[in-house]
Amino acid sequence: DTGVSQDPRHKITKRGQNVTFRCDPISEHNRLYWYRQTLGQGPEFLTYFQNEAQLEKSRLLSDRFSAERPKGSFSTLEIQRTEQGDSAMYLCASSPSRARTDTQYFGPGTRLTVL
Amino acid sequence: SQQGEEDPQALSIQEGENATMNCSYKTSINNLQWYRQNSGRGLVHLILIRSNEREKHSGRLRVTLDTSKKSSSLLITASRAADTASYFCATALTQGGSEKLVFGKGTKLTVNP
Repeated sequence: DTGVSQDPRHKITKRGQNVTFRCDPISEHNRLYWYRQTLGQGPEFLTYFQNEAQLEKSRLLSDRFSAERPKGSFSTLEIQRTEQGDSAMYLCASSPSRARTDTQYFGPGTRLTVL
Repeated sequence: SQQGEEDPQALSIQEGENATMNCSYKTSINNLQWYRQNSGRGLVHLILIRSNEREKHSGRLRVTLDTSKKSSSLLITASRAADTASYFCATALTQGGSEKLVFGKGTKLTVNP
């Protein structure tokens, strides 16, 4: 399977704990995106990488959120001191660099529940 | 904030009927994309239409784009129960060099067998 993969698929944590999600993009896709989706809403953009460089961050990405893509391949999204409002589906997507804002290929998502 | 607004929010039809979903947006775009999402799953890309295109077809899907009205429609012909899902339009913005997609809230389509 050469699609975008995310791990874990589900995460339940207690308020105040730190969590880390991983995304493996499609091989040779140099663009990687993180989105957050709450129930009944469409995905909302969080951040974007081109290779290892984080080029854009949403205002939704508070200081408790940090994302990395150290070698320009997989990416991690960490949430520190989780709050109940962080409960959502976290989606990762990747795209090739042929054209700006080309098709984005999404992973299955990580569903976070903060108790 | 979400730019796109899909209409209707929910749509229920019988298998074999056509389903039409509309999307309106607010700012200039580079392209508009439609995605499908089955319950609790990731998004699947359906079709992309660029700002200089007016209509595009892919299998049973037909997408139109009217940049003067800042609107798009997605038509699914001869619907099947397997088409049951939420459908989102996403706009790729031109301002500020942004690479992100801005999604609407989606239309929840139910196709009854």
